[in-house]
Amino acid sequence: GNSVTQMEGPVTLSEEAFLTINCTYTATGYPSLFWYVQYPGEGLQLLLKATKADDKGSNKGFEATYRKETTSFHLEKGSVQVSDSAVYFCALTSGNTPLVFGKGTRLSVIA
Amino acid sequence: DAGVIQSPRHEVTEMGQEVTLRCKPISGHNSLFWYRQTMMRGLELLIYFNNNVPIDDSGMPEDRFSAKMPNASFSTLKIQPSEPRDSAVYFCASSLGQGAYEQYFGPGTRLTVT
Repeated sequence: GNSVTQMEGPVTLSEEAFLTINCTYTATGYPSLFWYVQYPGEGLQLLLKATKADDKGSNKGFEATYRKETTSFHLEKGSVQVSDSAVYFCALTSGNTPLVFGKGTRLSVIA
Repeated sequence: DAGVIQSPRHEVTEMGQEVTLRCKPISGHNSLFWYRQTMMRGLELLIYFNNNVPIDDSGMPEDRFSAKMPNASFSTLKIQPSEPRDSAVYFCASSLGQGAYEQYFGPGTRLTVT
């Protein structure tokens, strides 16, 4: 079945540091891949997505590239801000299956 | 435009009581999802509907849990009787369809069962 494994947190970084959150997946067929973000006290919201191999999703300075050869979709940002403190979820779907989420990675950015 | 609306935002109840959580999806969305989030288990999909029909309820933990979607603009998740281990944040999400469509999450209902 489909599954997502993402690095365990929490991750604590200083402002302007480089961020990488690793995500690898197992899936049948050709999945679409997503990163969702959850800010404190809110529901999840879509951050970016990629629907086929080698696609790069990007939004708000975050990027992730769909790597079929390594079954990965790592999230990166060149310079994090305090406002990026949140929980980040990697997710996938294939066909009409519902989203399968990773366990989430909590990011804390300190000034 | 209004997003996904959930009510109540907070619910505190005693063990054994019935709890009903409500969700209004975004107008025009055909799929609706109920999730539960806890520190221990993370985010769990409980059930989802497509065109008001339940498609997969394999995530519903026990018979104490039930969900309905009587029309395209309203869904309920009911727990009867409630237990302390049901304490969690319950999210409703909607999307244009199944699969790779973006899911829009509501703000959640924080349920505490004492």
